[in-house]
Amino acid sequence: AQSVTQLGSHVSVSEGALVLLRCNYSSSVPPYLFWYVQYPNQGLQLLLKYTTGATLVKGINGFEAEFKKSETSFHLTKPSAHMSDAAEYFCAVSTGANSKLTFGKGITLSVRP
Amino acid sequence: SAVISQKPSRDICQRGTSLTIQCQVDSQVTMMFWYRQQPGQSLTLIATANQGSEATYESGFVIDKFPISRPNLTFSTLTVSNMSPEDSSIYLCSVVGHAASSGEAFFGQGTRLTVV
Repeated sequence: AQSVTQLGSHVSVSEGALVLLRCNYSSSVPPYLFWYVQYPNQGLQLLLKYTTGATLVKGINGFEAEFKKSETSFHLTKPSAHMSDAAEYFCAVSTGANSKLTFGKGITLSVRP
Repeated sequence: SAVISQKPSRDICQRGTSLTIQCQVDSQVTMMFWYRQQPGQSLTLIATANQGSEATYESGFVIDKFPISRPNLTFSTLTVSNMSPEDSSIYLCSVVGHAASSGEAFFGQGTRLTVV
């Protein structure tokens, strides 16, 4: 069985500040890990993914995440927040390609001017 | 990226009625999934739509309430039956194994359902 923990439901940062969204996972097999973003009234868009290989992965819009097996973590970061980053962010885990996803409860990111 | 057309995008329905949601993908995919996102909540998997066989339902979801069809490798439908206000949610279609994919899932825009 797999699970994802995203602590907290809301993060607020100032424009230009560091964004850090935490994600911890549990998986009985080597995981595939994903971050998705959901803008209001829209579907989910993939930000980045870790499948195998390099543990630091870069995604769209300046986001990146690092897979740390020892910490069972896959935290999402962005050096400088932009107003357009305000959205809901979901961390998800699967057991491999073509497998169903298990989502965390999501975190709402607000960006203050 | 995959092009996934989900219809309708939103609907307001009377309790006791049924609504069928359609999901059309621009090319063949290996797996199709249906998720529910209740207001302010995360996504919960309802079922896996299997081509040529019955869908596989997750715990807490049953075929009588959420019948699913998948007649081919690019199309699926989810029906929400005998609706109640508790069924008010966003329903999302998701696919994996798309030609444009390298392990990730793609999502439709969702169907926002309100039951009154």
